[in-house]
Amino acid sequence: GAGVSQSPRYKVAKRGQDVALRCDPISGHVSLFWYQQALGQGPEFLTYFQNEAQLDKSGLPSDRFFAERPEGSVSTLKIQRTQQEDSAVYLCASSTDPKAFLAGANVLTFGAGSRLTVL
Amino acid sequence: QKEVEQDPGPLSVPEGAIVSLNCTYSNSAFQYFMWYRQYSRKGPELLMYTYSSGNKEDGRFTAQVDKSSKYISLFIRDSQPSDSATYLCAMSPNFGNEKLTFGTGTRLTIIP
Repeated sequence: GAGVSQSPRYKVAKRGQDVALRCDPISGHVSLFWYQQALGQGPEFLTYFQNEAQLDKSGLPSDRFFAERPEGSVSTLKIQRTQQEDSAVYLCASSTDPKAFLAGANVLTFGAGSRLTVL
Repeated sequence: QKEVEQDPGPLSVPEGAIVSLNCTYSNSAFQYFMWYRQYSRKGPELLMYTYSSGNKEDGRFTAQVDKSSKYISLFIRDSQPSDSATYLCAMSPNFGNEKLTFGTGTRLTIIP
């Protein structure tokens, strides 16, 4: 597609429910990132994939958070037993091969995000 | 203390004014500096990126980096109502590494 697509755009969950957020990156983009943006804050890094390999998950706040990208394209961020502090916008971003940065290519293209509200 | 500090604003200026947005940072390993614009209920979009110290100009936008002071700026000339958005600075230490550290964002409103 033309951009990064995320679904659902809005999700309301009761505390303790599991949620799954989907990201369709730009076709052919090797790298995929998940960021968490709390209200009034900047995005914070969660995890990074290069193709299907999860190379960095240092930003995941707890073991309730899990991300996968099994075929190197679509990615899913899963949050188990949601808590109120999980309420945030979850942003997905993709980019071409990091070496493209050398040529001045765009760094990251973000999706519009999935807004999660935990009651 | 956060690695990247940014005044959250809000900042309101009249149309046509010059806008100055700033960030300070504490991690001397940061080498790549970016400015993103985020409209309400949208994802951030890249405006400009610079490497190390110096200035970079793109149309009405100028990005400045002063590594000795750990201070970066974005200037917007001839501001337009369409520039009303939240502006986020972001930075990373490694070449081609998009694991970015963002500021909190400055909410800007241009008054017609």
